[in-house]
Amino acid sequence: AQTVTQSQPEMSVQEAETVTLSCTYDTSESDYYLFWYKQPPSRQMILVIRQEAYKQQNATENRFSVNFQKAAKSFSLKISDSQLGDAAMYFCAYVSGAGSYQLTFGKGTKLSVIP
Amino acid sequence: GAGVSQSPSNKVTEKGKDVELRCDPISGHTALYWYRQRLGQGLEFLIYFQGNSAPDKSGLPSDRFSAERTGESVSTLTIQRTQQEDSAVYLCASSLGPSRVNEQFFGPGTRLTVL
Repeated sequence: AQTVTQSQPEMSVQEAETVTLSCTYDTSESDYYLFWYKQPPSRQMILVIRQEAYKQQNATENRFSVNFQKAAKSFSLKISDSQLGDAAMYFCAYVSGAGSYQLTFGKGTKLSVIP
Repeated sequence: GAGVSQSPSNKVTEKGKDVELRCDPISGHTALYWYRQRLGQGLEFLIYFQGNSAPDKSGLPSDRFSAERTGESVSTLTIQRTQQEDSAVYLCASSLGPSRVNEQFFGPGTRLTVL
């Protein structure tokens, strides 16, 4: 079974600074997708960024980028120019090969942004 | 509606009572998913619907849990004889189809508290 591990229960960052959230996963498959979701206090999960395992290029979405290390099974999220609105729980998630839809989530990292 | 909606937002019930949680997916989304999020944890997959059939019920924790869906519309998650360990946030998501490439859009969840 696939597992997703987020080793940082809590992180904090100064406004306008950069922070990196860690995620590792365990799988025997070569074809999969990885995701970072944001969950603010409103509880609604919002997709931040997605990475296809077959792509070597790291995904980026504005201030959000990932460092995908397939061999190391590592998938970290970098948030640049942190804003107060970035404060939330961040979850790393995995879905396996073709025909799959079931997301496997890590336990999350609570990010605080200090003004 | 513009997004996935869930009702009620919060539900407090007494141990042993039955509860029904409702999810309205995004119009046109054929796939619907239920997840459970215990305090301080990531999301656990419960059940998946394609249309009104549920090909994957593998995540339902016990026979006290059941779900149904009307066509490609509303879904109801029912928990019978609730127990304190059922206390959690129950999140619903929908997507255009079941493929992993389709983004799952989440609702705001229902926070269930069993006293």
